[in-house]
Amino acid sequence: QVQLVQSGAEVKKPGASVKVSCKASGYTFTGYYMHWVRQAPGQGLEWMGWINPNSGGTNYAQKFQGRVTMTRDTSISTAYMELSRLRSDDTAVYYCARVTWAVAISPIDYWGQGTLVTVSS
Amino acid sequence: EIVMTQSPATLSVSPGERATLSCRASQSVSSNLAWYQQKPGQAPRLLIYGASTRATGIPARFSGSGSGTEFTLTISSLQSEDFAVYYCQQYNNWPAFTFGPGTKVDIK
Repeated sequence: QVQLVQSGAEVKKPGASVKVSCKASGYTFTGYYMHWVRQAPGQGLEWMGWINPNSGGTNYAQKFQGRVTMTRDTSISTAYMELSRLRSDDTAVYYCARVTWAVAISPIDYWGQGTLVTVSS
Repeated sequence: EIVMTQSPATLSVSPGERATLSCRASQSVSSNLAWYQQKPGQAPRLLIYGASTRATGIPARFSGSGSGTEFTLTISSLQSEDFAVYYCQQYNNWPAFTFGPGTKVDIK
C-alpha cells in the first residue's frame, strides 16, 4: 500500500531554513509526481509546487519562487522540501502528496501525515 | 494564475439533509477538477476527480457535476461523519495547481 511518511515537527527562528522529508513506500517512487501543500493554523490548503522524482524537474507556485527548493533522493525514495528565510506566517502544517496517476495532469490521492513547522523568535 | 472560489464559506445542514457546495474557476479548467474532504487534524481525502468521478471507496451519496468554470459537489443525505471542510482544486492549468478557500459543512 502507498505510504508517505514525513519527518517530525520543527521549531525555527525567523530567517532560518527548514527542510522537511517525505519517505515513500509501496509504489515506484520515480513514477509519480510529488506535490507539497501547506496549511496555516485554521486556514485553507495552499499549493506550493511539485517535483518529478524521475527527472528532478520542479515547478513552484509563484508565491514561493526564490524561497522554496524541492529535491529528491531516488536511492531512498524520499522527497524533500526546503523553505528558506522563514517568517512567522510560514507557521503551518506541510504535507507531501502524491498524484493519483503516473501523468502530469492528475489529482492528488495520497497524503503524508503532515509536518508542523513553527516559526517563532 | 487560475483563481478558485467556493461558496458558501459555511453551510449549516441537519443530518439527513442534502448539501450543495459550489466551486468556480476564474477560467476554464475543463473537467480537471477535484474535491477533497478534510476533518480536523487529518490530511485531506480525495472524494471526486474529473469533476464527477468518485474516488475509490467514496460513498454514492457524494456526487460531483460541472465543467468549464462552474462545479458542484452534492452530498445527498448528510451523515454525521460528513461534517468537515470541503476543498475544490483545479489540476488543468499545468504546471500550477490551485485550491479553493474551502466550504465548512457544520451541523445545523
